[in-house]
Amino acid sequence: DAGVTQSPTHLIKTRGQHVTLRCSPISGHKSVSWYQQVLGQGPQFIFQYYEKEERGRGNFPDRFSARQFPNYSSELNVNALLLGDSALYLCASSFGPDAQGGEQYFGPGTRLTVT
Amino acid sequence: GQNIDQPTEMTATEGAIVQINCTYQTSGFNGLFWYQQHAGEAPTFLSYNVLDGLEEKGRFSSFLSRSKGYSYLLLKELQMKDSASYLCAVRGYNAGNMLTFGGGTRLMVKP
Repeated sequence: DAGVTQSPTHLIKTRGQHVTLRCSPISGHKSVSWYQQVLGQGPQFIFQYYEKEERGRGNFPDRFSARQFPNYSSELNVNALLLGDSALYLCASSFGPDAQGGEQYFGPGTRLTVT
Repeated sequence: GQNIDQPTEMTATEGAIVQINCTYQTSGFNGLFWYQQHAGEAPTFLSYNVLDGLEEKGRFSSFLSRSKGYSYLLLKELQMKDSASYLCAVRGYNAGNMLTFGGGTRLMVKP
């Protein structure tokens, strides 16, 4: 079975541009969470989606948005990119939205570089 | 809010035992996770504790004391491939599946 997949693997953008990152969860998993990991730090929670609805939002500006599709895949959008948005963006999937939903499995991440 | 502390770096010798500590302060607690992350790769799940005590999984064990806000990850019979960052993460109560991560402990295993 395929694990969590993310695309693209790497991306280089210029300040002020927009970016869309994509994630497909493990088959049967209905919850997707997004994390930002700056080099040398632990991941920081951005969003959680379950059944196409936002279930949680971290401390990120409104430039960050996301959505989940009927097939449970998800997109993370970032507008007006800043240099500080350069990071590894991780997607994690789990069966359910909460503690009973089981552990989270992480995808390989998208490495975003903003120049 | 939640605050999670773990050492930044540790060094150990191949074949030895190493203990990585994690302390946390949280307004609600619903589980503590340990993940392993090799450079440039995604975190991979190692262990989960929600009740006090020790959970053992092969060479890896994790301990939790909720009253002390303390956990450790114990790695036995260290191998060179264990060189990685180890992330401690806490799930809050009524916080969905949101995990709050510590900064990670970079472990270097030397021959």
